[in-house]
Amino acid sequence: AQSVTQPDIHITVSEGASLELRCNYSYGATPYLFWYVQSPGQGLQLLLKYFSGDTLVQGIKGFEAEFKRSQSSFNLRKPSVHWSDAAEYFCAVGQLKAAGNKLTFGGGTRVLVKP
Amino acid sequence: EAGVTQFPSHSVIEKGQTVTLRCDPISGHDNLYWYRRVMGKEIKFLLHFVKESKQDESGMPNNRFLAERTGGTYSTLKVQPAELEDSGVYFCASSQAGTRGGYTFGSGTRLTVV
Repeated sequence: AQSVTQPDIHITVSEGASLELRCNYSYGATPYLFWYVQSPGQGLQLLLKYFSGDTLVQGIKGFEAEFKRSQSSFNLRKPSVHWSDAAEYFCAVGQLKAAGNKLTFGGGTRVLVKP
Repeated sequence: EAGVTQFPSHSVIEKGQTVTLRCDPISGHDNLYWYRRVMGKEIKFLLHFVKESKQDESGMPNNRFLAERTGGTYSTLKVQPAELEDSGVYFCASSQAGTRGGYTFGSGTRLTVV
């Protein structure tokens, strides 16, 4: 069975500092990996996704993630955090089937941005 | 393009009552998904529709939960009777046929059973 672990439940970072959120997955085949963000009062928004090819993936809002097969990781990074990045971030792995894509989510990491 | 719409945004009901959540997917999206996040836990898959057919309902917790998708358009998720452990945020998402995801999520319905 597939699973996703986000080891950090909470992270506090100063505005302008760099941010890295960890994600480890367990999946029997080539994973389809995603990062979503949920801002207060909002739904889940897709930041970026990895299916194949270049292991460094660029997303929206200045985020990027790197797929490392040897470490079963897909960590999310941002070089300089803005106050609006305070949110909860979810890593997910997808099980591609003939019709549709069922996701397994990690527990989420809540990011607090200090001024 | 309108996004995925869910309502109500919040619902507070008493144990034993019935609640119906509604999801309007993006027009033309054949795939519709329901997920749930119980307090402090991961977001968990409930079920997946392709048009009006249930493709995968392996995540439905028990027979108190009933999902329908009328004519392949909007979907409802009924909980009857509601129990305390059903409290959480229920998310709906949709995607086009053949997409490899990620799909578009709604803002969720927060259900509180007291």
